Amino acid sequence: AQKVTQAQTEISVVEKEDVTLDCVYETRDTTYYLFWYKQPPSGELVFLIRRNSFDEQNEISGRYSWNFQKSTSSFNFTITASQVVDSAVYFCALSEMGYGGATNKLIFGTGTLLAVQP
Amino acid sequence: EPEVTQTPSHQVTQMGQEVILRCVPISNHLYFYWYRQILGQKVEFLVSFYNNEISEKSEIFDDQFSVERPDGSNFTLKIRSTKLEDSAMYFCAGSRGPMNTEAFFGQGTRLTVV
Repeated sequence: AQKVTQAQTEISVVEKEDVTLDCVYETRDTTYYLFWYKQPPSGELVFLIRRNSFDEQNEISGRYSWNFQKSTSSFNFTITASQVVDSAVYFCALSEMGYGGATNKLIFGTGTLLAVQP
Repeated sequence: EPEVTQTPSHQVTQMGQEVILRCVPISNHLYFYWYRQILGQKVEFLVSFYNNEISEKSEIFDDQFSVERPDGSNFTLKIRSTKLEDSAMYFCAGSRGPMNTEAFFGQGTRLTVV
């Protein structure tokens, strides 16, 4: 069964605090991809990162960093020195290889609403 | 930067009416998708489309739904007879490849069925 769990429904921080958004996934596939998307109040989905199951290296992009741990099936996202503009809903998603040909559907978690207060 | 464009941004329709949601994907994309998001809930996969046919669909995508790409550019989602529970944000997405590229999403169409 494929599933993505984001246990934190809402997080509120004060600007400049660091914040970590948790993501735990379930899959039977050995080949899969993990994603994070940002959904600001305007509603669009903004791609942040893609990670394949064979690459467990942590990644840093500016104030964003991602920690992928296959042993715990987690793909956590940390924002360092948060800013008001980071306020959004953040979705973690999983894409499996599938059978009978590749498919690329994304299975989303329920999202974490991050509110950064000035 | 190229982007996925969806029209209209908001559509209000009466229950039982047909609606067509339109999407213009990025030109070099080959795989196309529709997702929906009921207000305040997670984003759910509806259908994927490749090589002019549906490659996968979810349980949500029943006989009331159809997709087509008639002219090689526009990608449409049709709901034949809308129900109140079809009210949601509908996102179109596209990608160059099935697994090794990210999907780019449009800004969404908010469908309200009254």
